[in-house]
Amino acid sequence: DAGVIQSPRHEVTEMGQEVTLRCKPISGHDYLFWYRQTMMRGLELLIYFNNNVPIDDSGMPEDRFSAKMPNASFSTLKIQPSEPRDSAVYFCASSLGRGLGSADQPQHFGDGTRLSIL
Amino acid sequence: ILNVEQSPQSLHVQEGDSTNFTCSFPSSNFYALHWYRWETAKSPEALFVMTLNGDEKKKGRISATLNTKEGYSYLYIKGSQPEDSATYLCALVNYGQNFVFGPGTRLSVLP
Repeated sequence: DAGVIQSPRHEVTEMGQEVTLRCKPISGHDYLFWYRQTMMRGLELLIYFNNNVPIDDSGMPEDRFSAKMPNASFSTLKIQPSEPRDSAVYFCASSLGRGLGSADQPQHFGDGTRLSIL
Repeated sequence: ILNVEQSPQSLHVQEGDSTNFTCSFPSSNFYALHWYRWETAKSPEALFVMTLNGDEKKKGRISATLNTKEGYSYLYIKGSQPEDSATYLCALVNYGQNFVFGPGTRLSVLP
């Protein structure tokens, strides 16, 4: 079975440019999560969706970040304009939902996008 | 703000040794605890999801216990092998559906 697919794997761009990260969750999973990993802060949850609807975006650092999930098989995380401090590895994960949401379901992670803003 | 702590930050063990590490979390409003294994240059892989006080789960040589009243979970590895070298993450989920990962314990198993 295909796992969570993220693209691109690596992105290098100049400060001020728009960056779009993409994620395809595992088919049938109704929860999708976006995480950012940095040396300083570890793995941080940015936003998650349930049935394509954003549930909690309190982890989104600022207005420059936005995420969408137009359908069950695709999500994007956009940074506009990008800044050097946005450099990190961004992970997407998906899970099933059952009972109290997805709390008791393991998350399946993609391989991540390594983003470097120069 | 939920604060999830893990200890130790890192450890080195010899192949064949058994080891354990700790995840500590605020016990109020607890719903679930996840353990993940994260190898270098790969993505986190789910090991266990635990919800009940006193829960004990096992997968091969790895097992975990949960104490929700005192707010901790232990992960045990029996007879460590070099392929067990990874960062082990725990994540707390509360009734508000907030997911918070701990900083991880980095394990190195020396052959």
